[in-house]
Amino acid sequence: DIVMTQTPLSSPVTLGQPASISCRSSQSLVHSDGSTYLSWLQQRPGQPPRLLIYKISNRFSGVPDRFSGNGAGTDFTLKISRVEAEDVGVYYCMQATQLPHTFGQGTKLEIK
Amino acid sequence: QVQLQESGPGLVKPSQTLSLTCTVSGGSISGGDYYWSWIRQPPGKGLEWIGHIYYSGSTYYNPSLESRVAISIDTSKNQFSLKLSSVTAADTAVYYCARSPRKRSGYSYASELDYWGQGTLVTVSS
Repeated sequence: DIVMTQTPLSSPVTLGQPASISCRSSQSLVHSDGSTYLSWLQQRPGQPPRLLIYKISNRFSGVPDRFSGNGAGTDFTLKISRVEAEDVGVYYCMQATQLPHTFGQGTKLEIK
Repeated sequence: QVQLQESGPGLVKPSQTLSLTCTVSGGSISGGDYYWSWIRQPPGKGLEWIGHIYYSGSTYYNPSLESRVAISIDTSKNQFSLKLSSVTAADTAVYYCARSPRKRSGYSYASELDYWGQGTLVTVSS
């Protein structure tokens, strides 16, 4: 299985300041079709996960443009340009390049 | 917009079989454009992908659970289901159903999980 490792596991951030979460995979996530199936999900307290970013950098429908993703191969980053109160929750990276699909451990974003 | 809703017993006894159903609305489960997945989350912990099914009935299960899992689909009811046998307390979790767009490049495969159900808590206890 591909192991997904996120850092940090906890991120206290000041409102209005940027935040960044890293995700590293144990092997390349480049699929044989040339795409990289790395996505980011947000889970607010008491809510199901919600897709934010797919294929490294594509924002899903309705996702604010303060969220962005980048990276390649085995190293990926989710960035929030200016954190808002509603961004509090746990963020997961997930790979769908190889079965079984696997998730990172999650990074808890909290307000200082 | 597509919506998914899990249903089933919230309490299962040890050694018995957990059974859940996901009802899909706002779109057809038999359109062939998506895979249909189950994911679980133990209380206070991270996410574990259980497996998925295509409308044709083709399945893939996480090897960590493969010996105990069965996912089925009922296109006439726009539902898919999960069965997990011989449950223990370690199977206590919130169980989610979700959808993955299908991709093709010589063969068919699933991509990201774009829509999720609200989840249902299943507790294994006597």
